[in-house]
Amino acid sequence: ETGVTQSPTHLIKTRGQQVTLRCSSQSGHNTVSWYQQALGQGPQFIFQYYREEENGRGNFPPRFSGLQFPNYSSELNVNALELDDSALYLCASSSGRGYEQFFGPGTRLTVL
Amino acid sequence: DAKTTQPTSMDCAEGRAANLPCNHSTISGNEYVYWYRQIHSQGPQYIIHGLKNNETNEMASLIITEDRKSSTLILPHATLRDTAVYYCIVRVAPAGKLIFGQGTTLQVKP
Repeated sequence: ETGVTQSPTHLIKTRGQQVTLRCSSQSGHNTVSWYQQALGQGPQFIFQYYREEENGRGNFPPRFSGLQFPNYSSELNVNALELDDSALYLCASSSGRGYEQFFGPGTRLTVL
Repeated sequence: DAKTTQPTSMDCAEGRAANLPCNHSTISGNEYVYWYRQIHSQGPQYIIHGLKNNETNEMASLIITEDRKSSTLILPHATLRDTAVYYCIVRVAPAGKLIFGQGTTLQVKP
């Protein structure tokens, strides 16, 4: 059984650019959640996708957007990058909206 | 959303039990208590969850008080590899999002 995978591992962008992060959910999981973790802080919920539809959103601006595909993999897109967007971005999958979430290793984004 | 409070840091001797407390006094009747841990620079790892009964799995035990206002995660025989940040979370229904606090940094010492 393959766990949650994320790509890329590390990414460096400049302010104002756009970025796309990818997540492959664990086999059999139809729900994907995205979290942002700034250095020294706990992860903060961005949004969740359940069967290709957004199913809950945290306190993040609209320039954070996402997609979930029919195979339940997901993308996180961030437009107009700001310095404060530098963080570890975590993806978590689960077999339903209320079940335990299994996290990937994360993508480390640095905005210069 | 129910909030949790945890001590910032704790130490534990290798081979001894580690008892990590958590307060969640505003928890609702249908909310579960979840525990995750995060080893440096890795994604959080699910440990255990419970509603009102005590739970045990191969990693840990979870003791929830009868009034559900607090709980304790027990690692029965801590090893150096258990050094991590431990998060106590109350799951918000129905979206199932996890609200992480600062967590407890557990340092297991030889």
